[in-house]
Amino acid sequence: EIVLTQSPATLSLSPGERGTLSCRASQSVGRSLAWYQQKPGQAPRLLIYDASNRATGTPARFSGSGSGTDFTLTISSLEPEDFAVYYCQQRSNSIFTFGPGTKVDIK
Amino acid sequence: QVQLVQSGAEVTKPGASVKVSCKASGYTFTNYKMTWVRQAPGQGLEWMGWISAYSGHTKYAESLQGRVTMTTDASTSTAYLELRSLRSDDTAVYYCARDLRDGDSLTWSDPWGQGTLVTVSS
Repeated sequence: EIVLTQSPATLSLSPGERGTLSCRASQSVGRSLAWYQQKPGQAPRLLIYDASNRATGTPARFSGSGSGTDFTLTISSLEPEDFAVYYCQQRSNSIFTFGPGTKVDIK
Repeated sequence: QVQLVQSGAEVTKPGASVKVSCKASGYTFTNYKMTWVRQAPGQGLEWMGWISAYSGHTKYAESLQGRVTMTTDASTSTAYLELRSLRSDDTAVYYCARDLRDGDSLTWSDPWGQGTLVTVSS
């Protein structure tokens, strides 16, 4: 099973700052990686898929990059509604796994 | 618009079974795969498996093999998750989520249902 690790576990930022979240896979997943956002009490929401494609409704301040084993989600300028938990997810051989998540909270 | 509406919260005992439903609307049900994901209180997301609403083909997480069954009913556009031999660590919010794209490809989960809390307690 492919294991995903995310860093940092918590990222404390102020509105307007840039946020950089990392996701590393235990073996190459090509570009088969997605990012989800989850706010308290809500279902997760797809933000980025296939490493760098924004899902419908994802603001342009969110961007994804990477391939193989190292991936990054960047939030160019944090808005108040962006404070949430972010999960990466990989797909390999029809099996999916999630990373443990990065919580982005207000500094 | 696409909607996934899940059944209500359940409280059940260790050793019992639970069946959660996910009623879909706003799209052709049999054109998409459905995924189930769970989240224990205060914890991260755990992928449970997926089912093709067209063929009934399934793929389950290895950790749940033998205890989980996913099914669909095309006549009512409803997906079901059954989990057996429940333990206290099965207490979680269970989510259904449709595949992003239709057809044979397996992609990503979007949109999601609202979640169903299953509590396992004696």
